[in-house]
Amino acid sequence: NAGVTQTPKFQVLKTGQSMTLQCAQDMNHEYMSWYRQDPGMGLRLIHYSVGAGITDQGEVPNGYNVSRSTTEDFPLRLLSAAPSQTSVYFCASRTTANYGYTFGSGTRLTVV
Amino acid sequence: AQRVTQPEKLLSVFKGAPVELKCNYSYSGSPELFWYVQYSRQRLQLLLRHISRESIKGFTADLNKGETSFHLKKPFAQEEDSAMYYCALSGRLLTGNQFYFGTGTSLTVIP
Repeated sequence: NAGVTQTPKFQVLKTGQSMTLQCAQDMNHEYMSWYRQDPGMGLRLIHYSVGAGITDQGEVPNGYNVSRSTTEDFPLRLLSAAPSQTSVYFCASRTTANYGYTFGSGTRLTVV
Repeated sequence: AQRVTQPEKLLSVFKGAPVELKCNYSYSGSPELFWYVQYSRQRLQLLLRHISRESIKGFTADLNKGETSFHLKKPFAQEEDSAMYYCALSGRLLTGNQFYFGTGTSLTVIP
């Protein structure tokens, strides 16, 4: 199993550009989530999904969209990038049994 | 609000000394608590779950419902323990049974 795979690993965007961060898992996990990690603020939940076709907002959803058309994939879309979205983004997945989240390796995004 | 507090941003201990990373939570139901570790620029890895009462890499953590704490302890710190540690709270009362993380404690073990 590859676990949770995120692409790209690094990205630089200009203000106003849009892009999609990809996340895929091969463990047949029902739950998937996106977090952003910022110094001194820990990990904050952006959006999450409890199954294919079901998504909901987390703590900091503004400026981001998600969809979950399959169990495996959970892409995160930045609609119009802003410097405040400079961060490290982590995707994670788990089962409903809640043995804990498995994390991807992260995407380091810089918006200039 | 249901939340997690890690009061120490930075913690330094000498090799061989005991270490305790503090975690307090606020939750009105039955909490599920976890510790995650992140080595330099790597992904987060699950270290401990309170429900399994296990010891991983010499670390233990006991859930104290009276004090609403889930402190992480190790009797003898090693240099390879230097990392960022996050405490996380989950539970059925949280929307979508999601995880909420503390702000993390950066542990440095001095040789």
